[in-house]
Amino acid sequence: QQQVKQSPQSLIVQKGGISIINCAYENTAFDYFPWYQQFPGKGPALLIAIRPDVSEKKEGRFTISFNKSAKQFSLHIMDSQPGDSATYFCAPSGGSNYKLTFGKGTLLTVNP
Amino acid sequence: KAGVTQTPRYLIKTRGQQVTLSCSPISGHRSVSWYQQTPGQGLQFLFEYFSETQRNKGNFPGRFSGRQFSNSRSEMNVSTLELGDSALYLCASSQSFYEQYFGPGTRLTVT
Repeated sequence: QQQVKQSPQSLIVQKGGISIINCAYENTAFDYFPWYQQFPGKGPALLIAIRPDVSEKKEGRFTISFNKSAKQFSLHIMDSQPGDSATYFCAPSGGSNYKLTFGKGTLLTVNP
Repeated sequence: KAGVTQTPRYLIKTRGQQVTLSCSPISGHRSVSWYQQTPGQGLQFLFEYFSETQRNKGNFPGRFSGRQFSNSRSEMNVSTLELGDSALYLCASSQSFYEQYFGPGTRLTVT
């Protein structure tokens, strides 16, 4: 049973473009919705996270949009830069189960 | 503040051996989680500890175990290693559970 479905698996955008990564979940007990960024040879780094009481959160060029009824949330990267090239993971959690449930990841490549 | 540190960074073991990995969380963090990352299965949750208590455990065989000490440092142990245990083992720390900060991982290779 795949609780978290992340799409697309890979994404190529041009510098300055918008990158959009989606995450669909099944567990309605999830109450914390983070996105992680991972560079090769490094551990994942928390990028941005949202709670279900708001529909959108913006931090710099990164925005999370949350749709509770559709059980989906997405990451938008505005003005994408080559330095954003990395693998991105959604990892919702909640229900006091104390674990992040990771999506399969999206490999983002930003061409200069 | 220093980040999460994991030792050793790289490890090569033989099938049947056991291994212990160590994680030192960020100062002040009381929650430590462990994850296994492989190309095929992605990132999978192993266990989470808070103030020396295991609050959750993932779907891994009993060969995988862990513990947390009073200073919040944590160790995980894998006994009777199998080839399929080759992976990057990641430790993450946080103050309560949310906003987890990951270490660089320990790359375990089983031959």
